[in-house]
Amino acid sequence: GAVVSQHPSRVICKSGTSVKIECRSLDFQATTMFWYRQFPKKSLMLMATSNEGSKATYEQGVEKDKFLINHASLTLSTLTVTSAHPEDSSFYICSARDLRGGENTEAFFGQGTRLTVV
Amino acid sequence: AQKVTQAQTEISVVEKEDVTLDCVYETRDTTYYLFWYKQPPSGELVFLIRRNSFDEQNEISGRYSWNFQKSTSSFNFTITASQVVDSAVYFCALSPFYGQNFVFGPGTRLSVLP
Repeated sequence: GAVVSQHPSRVICKSGTSVKIECRSLDFQATTMFWYRQFPKKSLMLMATSNEGSKATYEQGVEKDKFLINHASLTLSTLTVTSAHPEDSSFYICSARDLRGGENTEAFFGQGTRLTVV
Repeated sequence: AQKVTQAQTEISVVEKEDVTLDCVYETRDTTYYLFWYKQPPSGELVFLIRRNSFDEQNEISGRYSWNFQKSTSSFNFTITASQVVDSAVYFCALSPFYGQNFVFGPGTRLSVLP
């Protein structure tokens, strides 16, 4: 399957600082990238959908000013958690898909980033 | 509205036992895709299978098999002769045929004991 690389895999930051998480599709062009958040022992919750070159579409209840998403190229999307607080500590995971053909393909997932805000 | 239900929150089996993970879905779409993903303790999601709504044939891949019953909106996953390495959280997911939305079930945590 295709490879999606997410970096960093783990990050610890101080409260009030910002953290950037990168999601790269290594061997295909991702027209659409998705960002999910996963709480311990819970399912994946979609935070936002980003299409290359467009503004991200955020799910209800997700603060777009806090979770900044950029999808400037077909191989890279970034999620920046701004002014992080302990409650932002979570597992964040991205997925990438090439939807140019219209028909849905499987989504390929990054390895995830475990964010701990202290 | 789309919804995926995995009624089994946690399952424990002893190695070599067979185990079936249930998945029931709801959708108003007539065409759609169903998926299974595995999430081992390391956290990454591993793709296992994609099945479109036109194809109700059961599929077998090694020790894994899937039973798709459109009449009951179920897409169950069976692991035969389970192994300790099968211990993980397994997610069933639903996606429209066209479009971007991807709905995950709550997951089933499988523990295979030696």
